[in-house]
Amino acid sequence: GENVEQHPSTLSVQEGDSAVIKCTYSDSASNYFPWYKQELGKRPQLIIDIRSNVGEKKDQRIAVTLNKTAKHFSLHITETQPEDSAVYFCAATLRSGGYQKVTFGTGTKLQVIP
Amino acid sequence: DTGVSQDPRHKITKRGQNVTFRCDPISEHNRLYWYRQTLGQGPEFLTYFQNEAQLEKSRLLSDRFSAERPKGSFSTLEIQRTEQGDSAMYLCASSSGRTDRYNEQFFGPGTRLTVL
Repeated sequence: GENVEQHPSTLSVQEGDSAVIKCTYSDSASNYFPWYKQELGKRPQLIIDIRSNVGEKKDQRIAVTLNKTAKHFSLHITETQPEDSAVYFCAATLRSGGYQKVTFGTGTKLQVIP
Repeated sequence: DTGVSQDPRHKITKRGQNVTFRCDPISEHNRLYWYRQTLGQGPEFLTYFQNEAQLEKSRLLSDRFSAERPKGSFSTLEIQRTEQGDSAMYLCASSSGRTDRYNEQFFGPGTRLTVL
């Protein structure tokens, strides 16, 4: 089955700096890669996603890059703010028809220091 | 609130007891997923329903676990003879299941189970 590795497990940055979280996946058939943000005690919420036919996607301060050859994708957060502090999960998704098998990474705890 | 809801939010039980959790997905969503999340880990897939049919089960789902979605709307997850290792957050998610697009999964707030 799919295996997703995520690094680092914790990340501390100064407010205004950039943060980068990296993930690798094992199944080359995975074709959709969402990123979720989970604040303490709350549900995971989708913040950005990328399909396998796209190399990069940006949404304001958040961007995601995908290297299908290397089976590697990354989340980039620029101009970090204290409210960005949370646990971030990457995921690799195998889509077959309407069904999606999602495998999550182990999470990165991001702390933005004011 | 038109999002995914779960009940109860917290459950404390003694080892050996049975527990049942409920998930109400977004009304127009026909795909429903159950995940388990332990501290410091990402959600782990447990099972998946398309309408009322349970189409996929993880090997994590032992015979003590059973899930149903009798009318293709809400779902229940039952754990029999609970063990301390069952302590975790149980998350439910739903998606629209449209075949012409990638479908965002919307998560519920979870049920936190503590087995004493």
